[in-house]
Amino acid sequence: DIQMTQSPSSMSVSLGDTVTITCRASQDVGIYVNWFQQKPGKSPRRMIYRATNLADGVPSRFSGSRSGSDYSLTISSLESEDVADYHCLQYDEYPYTFGAGTKLELK
Amino acid sequence: EVQLVETGGGLVQPGRSLKLSCVASGFTFNNYWMSWTRQAPGKGLEWVASITNSGGSTYYPDSVKGRFTISRDNAQNTLYLQMNSLRSEDTATYYCTRDGGAPFDYWGQGVMVTVSS
Repeated sequence: DIQMTQSPSSMSVSLGDTVTITCRASQDVGIYVNWFQQKPGKSPRRMIYRATNLADGVPSRFSGSRSGSDYSLTISSLESEDVADYHCLQYDEYPYTFGAGTKLELK
Repeated sequence: EVQLVETGGGLVQPGRSLKLSCVASGFTFNNYWMSWTRQAPGKGLEWVASITNSGGSTYYPDSVKGRFTISRDNAQNTLYLQMNSLRSEDTATYYCTRDGGAPFDYWGQGVMVTVSS
């Protein structure tokens, strides 16, 4: 199975920060990475698909990038509504696998 | 508006069975692959099963293969997950998801399944 190693597991952030979360794939997954946001008690929401594409309705301060086997989600000028858990997913091959998640917390 | 509404969760003893349902609305159900994903309490997300739009092919991780069966009724716009031989490690919130081009573009509200004696 493909492992998605997500880092950091948690991050203490301030409003206005630029935040970057990374997932490293254990083998080539091409562009087939999504990013999801999940707020406490809520269902996940897809933010980025195919590594770099912004999902409908997602603010432009969110972006996705790829460098080799490293996939990143960047939030520019963090707003209070962005404080949540974030998860990456590879869907290049079955079984689809998620990263372990990153929890953003306000300082 | 796309809506996915899961039902059927609850408390079940180890070794018993449970069937989840997900009623879809707001889109042409038979055009989309569908999936189930779960999240154990305080843990990350785990993909559980996927089915093609026709229902002709299904996919599972090893953790549920042979115990869980995903199916669909396109006439009723409904997705199912039959879960047999349940274990304590199957305790989780189960989400119905739509696979729109790239997986999991829409999620249901989730339904809790607790496996305990």
